[in-house]
Amino acid sequence: DVKVTQSSRYLVKRTGEKVFLECVQDMDHENMFWYRQDPGLGLRLIYFSYDVKMKEKGDIPEGYSVSREKKERFSLILESASTNQTSMYLCASSSGVNIQYFGAGTRLSVL
Amino acid sequence: DAKTTQPPSMDCAEGRAANLPCNHSTISGNEYVYWYRQIHSQGPQYIIHGLKNNETNEMASLIITEDRKSSTLILPHATLRDTAVYYCIVRPSNTGNQFYFGTGTSLTVIP
Repeated sequence: DVKVTQSSRYLVKRTGEKVFLECVQDMDHENMFWYRQDPGLGLRLIYFSYDVKMKEKGDIPEGYSVSREKKERFSLILESASTNQTSMYLCASSSGVNIQYFGAGTRLSVL
Repeated sequence: DAKTTQPPSMDCAEGRAANLPCNHSTISGNEYVYWYRQIHSQGPQYIIHGLKNNETNEMASLIITEDRKSSTLILPHATLRDTAVYYCIVRPSNTGNQFYFGTGTSLTVIP
């Protein structure tokens, strides 16, 4: 079974803090994705990566950056957290253009 | 940019078949139909996908109409653990980008 592991299920941070969300997959997938999910808005793509050290902006990259130094790990960085970044963050991975497998999600609250 | 229409909610009695409809009248020839579900506070879970033939796996069956403008996901014997939001997504086969999740159908399985 594919396993996508997100480092935290719940996080509480203060406005202005730098926040790291980590995601690890164990299936040697080339592609990894970061989404956020908000009520009424569905899932929105923040960033994705096709390979190590490669990244592409999704629909809502503002206020976020990413890092992919190893194939299995994709990190989402909030440089200076703001209250409007309170959300559920979901990581996914896939091989080729096919099925995306999701992690359990990280619910981030920024106070 | 969801290209699908689903009813917002449905109920199903435990042990009965749950039939979840999806309209995708503007589907293109190279677009697949994917189904995911999301149990409360968890990440989306892949269920099944297909192009034009009916598909079946250990979780569900997918019936696609001949004109491919609609499909039905069938859970043959619904259990309480099938209570979730079900998402129908259409997506080209030649892209590794995101899945566009709409608002889905909230299925409640009733004891």
